Amino acid sequence: GAGVSQTPSNKVTEKGKYVELRCDPISGHTALYWYRQSLGQGPEFLIYFQGTGAADDSGLPNDRFFAVRPEGSVSTLKIQRTERGDSAVYLCASSPGSGNTGELFFGEGSRLTVL
Amino acid sequence: AQSVTQLGSHVSVSEGALVLLRCNYSSSVPPYLFWYVQYPNQGLQLLLKYTSAATLVKGINGFEAEFKKSETSFHLTKPSAHMSDAAEYFCAVSVSGTYKYIFGTGTRLKVLA
Repeated sequence: GAGVSQTPSNKVTEKGKYVELRCDPISGHTALYWYRQSLGQGPEFLIYFQGTGAADDSGLPNDRFFAVRPEGSVSTLKIQRTERGDSAVYLCASSPGSGNTGELFFGEGSRLTVL
Repeated sequence: AQSVTQLGSHVSVSEGALVLLRCNYSSSVPPYLFWYVQYPNQGLQLLLKYTSAATLVKGINGFEAEFKKSETSFHLTKPSAHMSDAAEYFCAVSVSGTYKYIFGTGTRLKVLA
């Protein structure tokens, strides 16, 4: 079966522009996570969805970042007024349900470069 | 707060030699611990996990890790390195009842022929 799919794989944009990154989780997975991985760092938690609702968005760095999951499947991470510091690989992961003992299934990431 | 420290951002071993990647954690409650691997141009995938059962955990591709509470460590080992093991390895911790995985900064493993 298909794994977690993220598009685009690469995105280059100019400072100040708006960006959308899409995540298509494994079918049937109710939990969806966004992480951000900056150069030389491990993934950092951004937001967690259980179904359609954002159960925890405490990792979003500021109000320029927003994510939705309107039908409980595909999720979109939206970044407004991009800044050079937003350059990173944005990782999406899904899991069958909530809880922390299970495995996260990661996509290959969307590499964002802000010029 | 929970945290993870990976000692050594780069490790090189010869093919056939022992692989040892270090991970120390900080947690005020019993942790759940994970090792993930990231091959070039691929997503992270789970190698193994510790969830308070056996302290010696066996994973895929011949890797294993031992949970040592007294040392707050969860080091990853493999008896004999293979060229295909070259990748970046991440240790992660989560705390009972939460879904936030805290990742270490990663260790890039290079295997020399």
